[in-house]
Amino acid sequence: GENVEQHPSTLSVQEGDSAVIKCTYSDSASNYFPWYKQELGKGPQLIIDIRSNVGEKKDQRIAVTLNKTAKHFSLHITETQPEDSAVYFCAASRPGGGNKLTFGTGTQLKVEL
Amino acid sequence: NAGVTQTPKFRVLKTGQSMTLLCAQDMNHEYMYWYRQDPGMGLRLIHYSVGEGTTAKGEVPDGYNVSRLKKQNFLLGLESAAPSQTSVYLCASKLRGGGADNEQFFGPGTRLTVL
Repeated sequence: GENVEQHPSTLSVQEGDSAVIKCTYSDSASNYFPWYKQELGKGPQLIIDIRSNVGEKKDQRIAVTLNKTAKHFSLHITETQPEDSAVYFCAASRPGGGNKLTFGTGTQLKVEL
Repeated sequence: NAGVTQTPKFRVLKTGQSMTLLCAQDMNHEYMYWYRQDPGMGLRLIHYSVGEGTTAKGEVPDGYNVSRLKKQNFLLGLESAAPSQTSVYLCASKLRGGGADNEQFFGPGTRLTVL
C-alpha cells in the first residue's frame, strides 16, 4: 500500500519568514495530494490540494509543488503569521477503492513573534 | 449546515467495556471515514463507507466495527476496549468519488481514554 513520509516533524520560524514542509510517497498510481491544517482541539481542514497533472498550485501565501518523477510534494507558506501556527498533514490517494487518504505523520509549525 | 459532528467529545472507558461513537453529516455526502490519530503517527484509517449499507476495512480495523444504516450517520463500535485504543477518533465525509469532489471534511474528534 501507499506510504507517505513527512519532514520535518517540528518547524519553528520567525514571523514573516517562509516555511517549507516536504513529503514523499511510494505509490506511483497516487494522483491526488491534499494538505490539511489542524488547530488545537479541532479536526483537520483542507488548505490546498494538487492533482498529478499539475506541477504547482498557489493560493495567496500558500503554494504546493509536485514532482511526480521523484514522488515528492511540498507545502510552501510565505510571510508566515502567528495564526499559521498549527499541525500540518500531507496526504496522498489513488483513484478508486474509496479514494482513501494515506497521511503523513504531521509537522508542528510554530511561528514566533 | 452543521457539517460533520461527532458524539461524544470525550469519554473514559475501563478495559473490556464497550461503546459506540457517532458521526453525523448533513451535507448529503456519500463517502464517510473513521480515523484514529495518535502522536507521531498521523491519521490512520480504521474503516470507511462508500454508501448507505456498505462498509470496508481500512489500515487498522482490528478491534473495531462499523455500521452505515443511514446515509448521514456512520457509527464506530468498540466491543471490548483495550488501552491500545486510547486515541483521538476523527470522522470525515466527502461528496463522492474522485474528480473535483475529493475534499474530505472532518469532524472535531472524540478523545477516548481506556484505563
